[in-house]
Amino acid sequence: AQSVSQHNHHVILSEAASLELGCNYSYGGTVNLFWYVQYPGQHLQLLLKYFSGDPLVKGIKGFEAEFIKSKFSFNLRKPSVQWSDTAEYFCAVTTDTGRRALTFGSGTRLQVQP
Amino acid sequence: SAVISQKPSRDICQRGTSLTIQCQVDSQVTMMFWYRQQPGQSLTLIATANQGSEATYESGFVIDKFPISRPNLTFSTLTVSNMSPEDSSIYLCSVTRGTGVTGELFFGEGSRLTVL
Repeated sequence: AQSVSQHNHHVILSEAASLELGCNYSYGGTVNLFWYVQYPGQHLQLLLKYFSGDPLVKGIKGFEAEFIKSKFSFNLRKPSVQWSDTAEYFCAVTTDTGRRALTFGSGTRLQVQP
Repeated sequence: SAVISQKPSRDICQRGTSLTIQCQVDSQVTMMFWYRQQPGQSLTLIATANQGSEATYESGFVIDKFPISRPNLTFSTLTVSNMSPEDSSIYLCSVTRGTGVTGELFFGEGSRLTVL
């Protein structure tokens, strides 16, 4: 079965700093990759997704992620974070097994200090 | 996008009781999923609810503890039976849109249960 690892559990940055959150998955076949964000007190929202094609995908709010198949990674990046980016970020994957449910990583709590 | 409504949004329950969570979607969907998010943790899939067939449960979750109904293509319920404090969690309903395996998953706002 597939699994997702997020190695950064809690990240603290100052505003305008650059962000990179790590995500690695384990599955040998075709994958679809997602990053979700959960702002305090709100429900999960999709930031971006990768299905195929250009491995560099751009999402909402200036976020982007790069799929590196050889490294089984899908790291999330943002060149300059804002205080409003404070949230929990979850990496998730579905696979070509036909099972449509997402497998989530453990999440990374991002705290941006003004 | 999909509009997903869950009831109740939160509840405080006594040990040994059962609670049913409802999930209503604004349009017909084939597959609905129930997740659990325990305090400070990620989301764990409980089961997949398909209309017209029994739910498919993930390892560690059983029908006796988490019975699920799926009477039509827009509605599902999850019951948390014989609750204990360990069941205190946010329970989320989600649906997928799109064809093949590329559908995006949408989430409701969740039902936050506290078991005393």
